[in-house]
Amino acid sequence: DADVTQTPRNRITKTGKRIMLECSQTKGHDRMYWYRQDPGLGLRLIYYSFDVKDINKGEISDGYSVSRQAQAKFSLSLESAIPNQTALYFCATSDPWRGDEQFFGPGTRLTVL
Amino acid sequence: AQSVAQPEDQVNVAEGNPLTVKCTYSVSGNPYLFWYVQYPNRGLQFLLKYITGDNLVKGSYGFEAEFNKSQTSFHLKKPSALVSDSALYFCAVSGGSGKLIFGQGTTLQVKP
Repeated sequence: DADVTQTPRNRITKTGKRIMLECSQTKGHDRMYWYRQDPGLGLRLIYYSFDVKDINKGEISDGYSVSRQAQAKFSLSLESAIPNQTALYFCATSDPWRGDEQFFGPGTRLTVL
Repeated sequence: AQSVAQPEDQVNVAEGNPLTVKCTYSVSGNPYLFWYVQYPNRGLQFLLKYITGDNLVKGSYGFEAEFNKSQTSFHLKKPSALVSDSALYFCAVSGGSGKLIFGQGTTLQVKP
């Protein structure tokens, strides 16, 4: 079984709709992250959480919000989706005792029409 | 501020030849350096990391990377490329903050 899972894997939605992407992990890590990947831009950090009560904005948090429901679950929401949020979204986890190495989920491909 | 540069969008090599994918970084303090690989329609897979110690780091699938502090570089290398190595490669750096900064990625194309 995969250690970091993301649902859905693919989603097509319309401008203005609210979307939630979910991430679950069985690695027992406290730290979780959300990234988006765009061609030629690499991965950019949206939000991160170092424990259940800790939420921090990343490089590109505008238009996004997150919820850390438990150690194992970290959800990303787009309150009102817009076309330039079309991207590949990744969730990741890390263990600080492993020197910032991150473990990635399979990704969610989101298309906003 | 932390940053990572991968100066080549694409690297083309023939199967059996050595390959190098370049990465330079900027970070305050001692860097934690990483290479990840992404195959089509897949997530990122960890290849190797440098935290401290020997400057030559060996990783998965026969890849290695050399940390060069004076040149602030961490180039990924493999002595003999395989067609199956064709993928998107990302270099990343952390200053120990728990956050990674990624380069823009380099597509490696290995031709038979």
